Amino acid sequence: AQSVAQPEDQVNVAEGNPLTVKCTYSVSGNPYLFWYVQYPNRGLQFLLKYITGDNLVKGSYGFEAEFNKSQTSFHLKKPSALVSDSALYFCAARGYQTGANNLFFGTGTRLTVIP
Amino acid sequence: GEEVAQTPKHLVRGEGQKAKLYCAPIKGHSYVFWYQQVLKNEFKFLISFQNENVFDETGMPKERFSAKCLPNSPCSLEIQATKLEDSAVYFCASNQDFSSYEQYFGPGTRLTVT
Repeated sequence: AQSVAQPEDQVNVAEGNPLTVKCTYSVSGNPYLFWYVQYPNRGLQFLLKYITGDNLVKGSYGFEAEFNKSQTSFHLKKPSALVSDSALYFCAARGYQTGANNLFFGTGTRLTVIP
Repeated sequence: GEEVAQTPKHLVRGEGQKAKLYCAPIKGHSYVFWYQQVLKNEFKFLISFQNENVFDETGMPKERFSAKCLPNSPCSLEIQATKLEDSAVYFCASNQDFSSYEQYFGPGTRLTVT
């Protein structure tokens, strides 16, 4: 079965410090991986994706993510956290070989940036 | 439009009543997806369309849920005879074609069944 796991329900980080939100995946074939952010009472906003190529992908608002095939991970990172980064973050994947194009999601990690 | 639009924002129904949700995808996008976000933030894929054709309905509860995407109309998701466990936020998303990767999400419809 294909799945995405976010092992931390909550991550707290001080403003200005680097942040990491963890994600691991289990998919058939080559994975397509995504990060989305959800602010209160809002839909999901796309941050970045990994399809192929460089393992370090850069996205919106200064976020980046590192694809690690051997560890089946796709952790989200930012060098210096802002209070405005506080939100719910979702890792998602789309299987390559299934013929379907829907996404399946992790259960989310709530990031709190402390001033 | 440049954003996925969903209406209504909130919907309250008594158990057993019908609920109908609407989604207008981004103009030019061929694929529309419906997801259900329940407690503990779990997202469940329900159904996808390629234009007006059902593409994948593997996540759809067959008994009470139905969906349509008709030409020149918003897509719709209908729940007949709602149950308490249908209370959730329903998100619509769209993307341009099968080779597109990221999906663009609407703001969601919060359905509360009482």
